[in-house]
Amino acid sequence: AQSVAQPEDQVNVAEGNPLTVKCTYSVSGNPYLFWYVQYPNRGLQFLLKYITGDNLVKGSYGFEAEFNKSQTSFHLKKPSALVSDSALYFCAVRDPGSGNTGKLIFGQGTTLQVKP
Amino acid sequence: ETGVTQTPRHLVMGMTNKKSLKCEQHLGHNAMYWYKQSAKKPLELMFVYNFKEQTENNSVPSRFSPECPNSSHLFLHLHTLQPEDSALYLCASSQLWTRSREQYFGPGTRLTVT
Repeated sequence: AQSVAQPEDQVNVAEGNPLTVKCTYSVSGNPYLFWYVQYPNRGLQFLLKYITGDNLVKGSYGFEAEFNKSQTSFHLKKPSALVSDSALYFCAVRDPGSGNTGKLIFGQGTTLQVKP
Repeated sequence: ETGVTQTPRHLVMGMTNKKSLKCEQHLGHNAMYWYKQSAKKPLELMFVYNFKEQTENNSVPSRFSPECPNSSHLFLHLHTLQPEDSALYLCASSQLWTRSREQYFGPGTRLTVT
C-alpha cells in the first residue's frame, strides 16, 4: 500500500540553526513528492515538489528538500531557521494508482517549533 | 481575488441545520477537492472532481453532499451533522494533464457542530 511517514510529531530548533523535517515514503513506481506548510488557522501552502531530475529541490522561503531513492526519503531542510518558520509541515506523495485524479497521500504532519 | 477562496471562514451550526460551504478557485484549474482536517488526525480526502465530474467519494456519509457546477466552484452542502463532524474543511484545486498536479489549498472553513 502507498504511504507516507513523518516519524517526528515535533521538531524543535533554535533560530539560526539548520533544520530538518523527515519524510519517508512507500509507493510503487516513480514518486511525485511534495511538501506543504500550514500556519495556524490557515490552509496548506505549497512549498516545493520533486518530479524528476536533480535530487536537491529548492522551494519557497529558503526551504529545500533532498530526494533519496535508496532510502525512500524526502527530507525538508533549511540552512538557517527563523522563528516565523514555526508551523505544521506535511509531506505528501501523489498516489500513482489514482489515475488522473491527482490524489495525494499525506503524512500525519510535523510541528516545527523555532525558538529565539 | 487570487488563489483559492473559501466562505465562510467560520461556521457554527446545530445538528438540525442545513448550511453550505463554498469554494472558488481563481487559478484556471480543472480539478477540485474537499478535505477534512480534524485535530490529531491526518488530512482526510473526501471528494474529488475532475472537469465538474465526481471521480472520488471516499466513503463520506450522505449528510455531506458536494456540488460542482463548473471547474471554478465547489460546494459542500451540510445537513443533520454530528458533533464529530466539527473540523477544518479545506478545499483545493489542481491542474490536470500536468506531471505534478500539485494542489493549491484555500484557507479552510472552521466548522463547529453543536
